[in-house]
Amino acid sequence: EVQLVESGGGLVQPGRSLRLSCAASGFTFDDYAMHWVRQAPGKGLEWVSGISWKSDWTEYADSVKGRFTISRDNAKNSLYLQMNSLRVEDTAFYYCVKDGLSLAGRPEYFDYWGQGTLVTVSS
Amino acid sequence: DIVMTQSPDSLAVSLGERATINCKSSHSVFYIANKKNYLAWYQQKPGQSPKLLISWASTRESGVPDRFSGSGSGTDFTLTISSLQAEDVAVYYCQQYDSTPPTFGQGTKVEIK
Repeated sequence: EVQLVESGGGLVQPGRSLRLSCAASGFTFDDYAMHWVRQAPGKGLEWVSGISWKSDWTEYADSVKGRFTISRDNAKNSLYLQMNSLRVEDTAFYYCVKDGLSLAGRPEYFDYWGQGTLVTVSS
Repeated sequence: DIVMTQSPDSLAVSLGERATINCKSSHSVFYIANKKNYLAWYQQKPGQSPKLLISWASTRESGVPDRFSGSGSGTDFTLTISSLQAEDVAVYYCQQYDSTPPTFGQGTKVEIK
């Protein structure tokens, strides 16, 4: 059974940093690209960032480019999102998401989602 | 970026009746080389994370009831629930993965009339 478990969310002041983690299990982690998708409370879905299976490509939404960094550790079956210079508008549930196609060279559809971790940016 | 626009924003359907959700992309998501539409549908029930229902515009995921079907090509797509059940109350999203960044529609809320 595929499991994606996020951690690291919480309340943080504007301008500060936070690091999210995602522990993956139930599939061959290093065969799949992984992504972060966020959802502001009561709002729709926004793709944030993705990373290829061997970390040779990373992509970011314009809204987070230059502030967020995605990374992965295939030995630990883990995905990370380093979030710097946080803004109030970054407040959202952050979902760890598995790409639907193995060895994909770019973002595809998303076949498994974690339960999400809430990041609240407020003074 | 490709803009995805869903209609309606919400709809109320009687149990057992058909629900139809439309999704329009600002650019074609049909790839001629493999004749595939890069379009997915997701269901998000209250308090839960999204669940993939359909990929490639019409390929149902394993375990998804056959009352859910996807159709369309190019820029216009439809998700149909042929006979609405109580457990289908949710927000439904379309998503294109033809180009980066992948983008979602704004969502359609389905309720029971």
